[in-house]
Amino acid sequence: SAVISQKPSRDICQRGTSLTIQCQVDSQVTMMFWYRQQPGQSLTLIATANQGSEATYESGFVIDKFPISRPNLTFSTLTVSNMSPEDSSIYLCSVKPLGFRPSNEQFFGPGTRLTVL
Amino acid sequence: ELKVEQNPLFLSMQEGKNYTIYCNYSTTSDRLYWYRQDPGKSLESLFVLLSNGAVKQEGRLMASLDTKARLSTLHITAAVHDLSATYFCAVAPISGAGSYQLTFGKGTKLSVIP
Repeated sequence: SAVISQKPSRDICQRGTSLTIQCQVDSQVTMMFWYRQQPGQSLTLIATANQGSEATYESGFVIDKFPISRPNLTFSTLTVSNMSPEDSSIYLCSVKPLGFRPSNEQFFGPGTRLTVL
Repeated sequence: ELKVEQNPLFLSMQEGKNYTIYCNYSTTSDRLYWYRQDPGKSLESLFVLLSNGAVKQEGRLMASLDTKARLSTLHITAAVHDLSATYFCAVAPISGAGSYQLTFGKGTKLSVIP
């Protein structure tokens, strides 16, 4: 499995500001994903971060609110823009390691706990 | 749209008892995953189930998959306190475009009481 780190691990932000979350993997991966987990809730996929092209967003999520970058096969960023208290969540990146695996198993980073005041 | 339902959402059980968590999903899938999440932590992969009739066991946990019924179960045998956590099932669509995208159930918060 891949070792995944996220920065920051947690932050408290003011309404109207933006925060960029970084996801770093210790090995090259084919796919990287960003999920949101609202307090006490399940995980919802925000987008798939595509290397060298624009991210693919799920219904209900837009690029202006959640711009994503993926400059290479080991790194991605998610920005939460113009934050409101409703954006308070845990944001997790996950990865699918390089190489064929029938399971297509994903591994999750430690998450970034965001509180918006 | 793929929907995943877990039940129960909350489970309080005594140490030493057995119980089963159920995961139903709405459309055809060939991959089902079980994850564990401890409070304030990320998700830990427990099981990957790839075919009808698949059964996997690790310690006191056993997971199975019935693709015809679109049902997976996570069975807990002789529960111990260390198993207290939230358990999520997640389903991926049938292999093909978008087949990496996981849809999660709401999770089952398990509390094991001495």
